[in-house]
Amino acid sequence: NAGVMQNPRHLVRRRGQEARLRCSPMKGHSHVYWYRQLPEEGLKFMVYLQKENIIDESGMPKERFSAEFPKEGPSILRIQQVVRGDSAAYFCASSPMDREGTQYFGPGTRLLVL
Amino acid sequence: QQPVQSPQAVILREGEDAVINCSSSKALYSVHWYRQKHGEAPVFLMILLKGGEQKGHDKISASFNEKKQQSSLYLTASQLSYSGTYFCGTLPGGSARQLTFGSGTQLTVLP
Repeated sequence: NAGVMQNPRHLVRRRGQEARLRCSPMKGHSHVYWYRQLPEEGLKFMVYLQKENIIDESGMPKERFSAEFPKEGPSILRIQQVVRGDSAAYFCASSPMDREGTQYFGPGTRLLVL
Repeated sequence: QQPVQSPQAVILREGEDAVINCSSSKALYSVHWYRQKHGEAPVFLMILLKGGEQKGHDKISASFNEKKQQSSLYLTASQLSYSGTYFCGTLPGGSARQLTFGSGTQLTVLP
């Protein structure tokens, strides 16, 4: 049973470019979460999605960031016009439907903005 | 609010024990413990639901005191492989499902 998959694992962008991060949840999991981790810090919640629905985006910056989880295909976190402060590790986690669903993390995408 | 973890860092010798604490100012539904090694993804260790339960596997166990909104992770007879940063993630009551993580406890086990 494949785990949570994320790609790319590493992404380098210049300031002003767009970054697209992809996440495929574990089989049977319908909930996806995105977290951001700055070096030497904890994980900060960004957004929680179910298929075709954004459930909670209270942790997302208001501008330049968006997320989707289409009916078919992976969840995508999109960062437009990246700035140096966007450099971080972005982790996706997925969980099954039940309330106690454990969140399993993917390997992360490390974004570096030059 | 972010749960508070203590200590921030701990250094042990192989075979020694450690306790990592996680406390919240909010009523909690569950506490989730993860270990993260440098440059890797957080790995799930265990989940504790309200009810004051205690769980464990291998030499790692945890307790959850819902009245105090605290959880503790116990590592006994530590092994070199236990080194990493331990995070607690809390889930409050209600419909919220996103975890709020503490800032982590860096554990180093020396031979």
